[in-house]
Amino acid sequence: QQQVRQSPQSLTVWEGGTTVLTCSYEDSTFNYFPWYQQFPGEGPALLISILSVSDKKEDGRFTTFFNKREKKLSLHIIDSQPGDSATYFCAASTGNTGKLIFGLGTTLQVQP
Amino acid sequence: EAAVTQSPRNKVAVTGGKVTLSCNQTNNHNNMYWYRQDTGHGLRLIHYSYGAGSTEKGDIPDGYKASRPSQENFSLILELATPSQTSVYFCASGDGDLSGNTLYFGEGSRLIVV
Repeated sequence: QQQVRQSPQSLTVWEGGTTVLTCSYEDSTFNYFPWYQQFPGEGPALLISILSVSDKKEDGRFTTFFNKREKKLSLHIIDSQPGDSATYFCAASTGNTGKLIFGLGTTLQVQP
Repeated sequence: EAAVTQSPRNKVAVTGGKVTLSCNQTNNHNNMYWYRQDTGHGLRLIHYSYGAGSTEKGDIPDGYKASRPSQENFSLILELATPSQTSVYFCASGDGDLSGNTLYFGEGSRLIVV
């Protein structure tokens, strides 16, 4: 059973639009939620992360929201650019063991 | 520049053969990890290590061994490779600090078992 679920599986948006990716989880002990970005042929790289004590974190065009009660989080990308086309993974872990549980990923295509 | 490097980047192995995937990190991180990535399964943790001499089983350890001879190096060993182990393997290092453990991934090793 997938502990971290992502949706949608794939998504196409127009350049300049807003992208919204969502993620849900089961384990209430998860307290760290990173989002990783992966381009074809490369390893994933940390994009943005949030701890369970926060409900929002912003970094430029990227914002992640966290809802502890509903066990959900989301990634918003404003002014989406073709260079944002990649696969995005949400992940979760407990403490600092680094044992990240990844979702299956969302493949984003931004059309010019 | 701090980095995680993997070798080989591509490998074709025969069923029943032994495969060793190597990983070197210059981040001076205590924690290292091996994940495999497959379509429909995302990234799954195979083995990890908290430091030289230690290895721990991840979520899918069957058919794999790991070795951490030094802070910098972490190997994944397939003693008897099977076609089901055809995949892309990623090594990562992590700093494990209390603000959240950022993982730094290598570029991946693509393994095909025929």
